[in-house]
This record gives sequence, structure tokens and C-alpha cells, in this order.
Amino acid sequence: EPEVTQTPSHQVTQMGQEVILRCVPISNHLYFYWYRQILGQKVEFLVSFYNNEISEKSEIFDDQFSVERPDGSNFTLKIRSTKLEDSAMYFCASSGGLRYEQYFGPGTRLTVT
Amino acid sequence: RKEVEQDPGPFNVPEGATVAFNCTYSNSASQSFFWYRQDCRKEPKLLMSVYSSGNEDGRFTAQLNRASQYISLLIRDSKLSDSATYLCARPGSNSGYALNFGKGTSLLVTP
Repeated sequence: EPEVTQTPSHQVTQMGQEVILRCVPISNHLYFYWYRQILGQKVEFLVSFYNNEISEKSEIFDDQFSVERPDGSNFTLKIRSTKLEDSAMYFCASSGGLRYEQYFGPGTRLTVT
Repeated sequence: RKEVEQDPGPFNVPEGATVAFNCTYSNSASQSFFWYRQDCRKEPKLLMSVYSSGNEDGRFTAQLNRASQYISLLIRDSKLSDSATYLCARPGSNSGYALNFGKGTSLLVTP
């Protein structure tokens, strides 16, 4: 069964450093998403991406964040200068259509020290 | 304003019991809602989609009540493996179809 994959599973970084989180969405999907979940809190939407551009972003997704689809398979989330409060699980998701179900990857646990 | 609200629980039920969770939502013209299951420190896994009035899949039944603005998830004949957090989600009204999640309801099925 096709699935979303994410690397790395755990990333530890120092405050102020840049991190890139990687995702490989399900191969025939067209819509891609990033969500985050701070420990003990709910899953929060960050950004959606379609046709090589951002279609929606939340207020969390400020200038420190960017997304890219550098090739036909990878979808990346970059945080330019990490803060302590960026520590969270970051989930990538994809769907085959705008109103279709979203399938989540296993997540990257980001720890900012 | 909380858009999706869930009773956090925990719901502790014995194996074989029937358990139901509700999820209330506000100000939504969404045609679809979703139930996800999340195990500790894992990703949300899609459990059921809820379109129009409801959906049934084996032991799981989801129903949508638009008049009262809630969706429910019923689990029959609970198994130990059903222990997890159940997340309710609805898409937002903007173009990106971002999902708004509730905080989840914790279920513990005991022997």
C-alpha cells in the first residue's frame, strides 16, 4: 500500500540553525501539506501546496518557514532560524484531490536546544 | 473561537463494550469530516470519512448531524487494540483544504 515517507525521523538542532525536513508524498497525489503537533497539543495546519505553489498557509507559517518541491518526488519544509518553540512533531500529508482524504507520514520529531 | 471540540476523556471501557465519542464543530459548510486514530507519538491514521449523513465500516460507525453540528464515532465490540486517541477533523473554508483538528478523545480498552 502506498504511503507517505519522511526523513529524518528525529532531528536535533541548536537554536538559530536552519533545518530541512523531507517528505516523499504518495506518488500520484497532487496536494501536499505540512502540519505540526507540539507535545500534548492538537495537530495544527501549517501550509498546503499544489501545482508548485502555496495554496494556503496558517499564521504559524511565517517568514522563517518555506516549502519546496525540488523534484518530482520530494516535498520539503525549511525552517531558516529555529526557535525553541519550533520543537514539535512535523507531519507531511498528501491527498489525491482537493476534497480527498489526507494521508499522513510518520513524522519528524524536531528538537531545538 | 474553537472550531472543532472534543471531550478529551479518557474513556476507559472493558473489552467488548460499545463506546461513542462526539465532536462538535462551528460555522462550517463542509461537506465532509474525518475521523483519525492517533497512537502515542505516531501520525494520525485515517479511520473514516464522513460525507452526508454517515458511514459504517465493520465495527465503526460515524454519523453527521448537521442540525446540531456534531459528528459521532461509535465503536462496537471494543478490542484492546482500539486503545488510542481519536481525532476529529474538518476542512477549512479556504482554498487549501487545510484540516482543522480537535484535540482528540483518548480511549483505553481494558481486559
